[in-house]
Amino acid sequence: AQRVTQVQSTGSSQWGEVTLDCSYETSEYSYLILWYRQLFSGEMVFLIYQPSFDTQNQRSGHYSVVFQKSFKSISLVISASQPEDSGTYFCALSELESSGSWQLIFGSGTQLTVMP
Amino acid sequence: DPKIIQKPKYLVAVTGSEKILICEQYLGHNAMYWYRQSAKKPLEFMFSYSYQKLMDNQTASSRFQPQSSKKNHLDLQITALKPDDSATYFCASSQEGHANSDYTFGSGTRLLVI
Repeated sequence: AQRVTQVQSTGSSQWGEVTLDCSYETSEYSYLILWYRQLFSGEMVFLIYQPSFDTQNQRSGHYSVVFQKSFKSISLVISASQPEDSGTYFCALSELESSGSWQLIFGSGTQLTVMP
Repeated sequence: DPKIIQKPKYLVAVTGSEKILICEQYLGHNAMYWYRQSAKKPLEFMFSYSYQKLMDNQTASSRFQPQSSKKNHLDLQITALKPDDSATYFCASSQEGHANSDYTFGSGTRLLVI
């Protein structure tokens, strides 16, 4: 069963606000959710992260998140979206493994298309 | 300048052959990782290394062997290549004990096995 679930695709018009949803499964009290964008070249670009212990929704540039810990849900919000924001967005759950390493569990990604 | 260098960017290999994927990071991180992204699938964790020691191995096949000759290197040797090994392989690194904006990915090596 998939532990991180994302909607396959969504679209928006330029200057619109885009919300990309992500739900996850974890039994850990402490974890992180990270968002990455995969460019058409394949490069993975870090966008923003939300620690589970932080009740404040994180913001970074025109990215922000809406974190609903009790529902194990987090949304990435892109304000004033532009066509160049088009691409695939990945949500990743990070838990500290017993080995001491941080492993990321990725969702399948949401393909975003922003029309001019 | 790229902070994590993966070489080569593209690689075509014949079934049964052996290849080494190179990864070097210049972020001063202590932990390095390998992930695989097959077509139409999410990135999947393969290995993690910390201070050049294997921490976690989620790859079932022993054909995949990470090699760390230096603190900032984590290469991936793949033997007896199969067409199913075709994927993009990403190297990543982070500061040990942290998973936040420091968790950085390389641009990947796209491997095609024919």
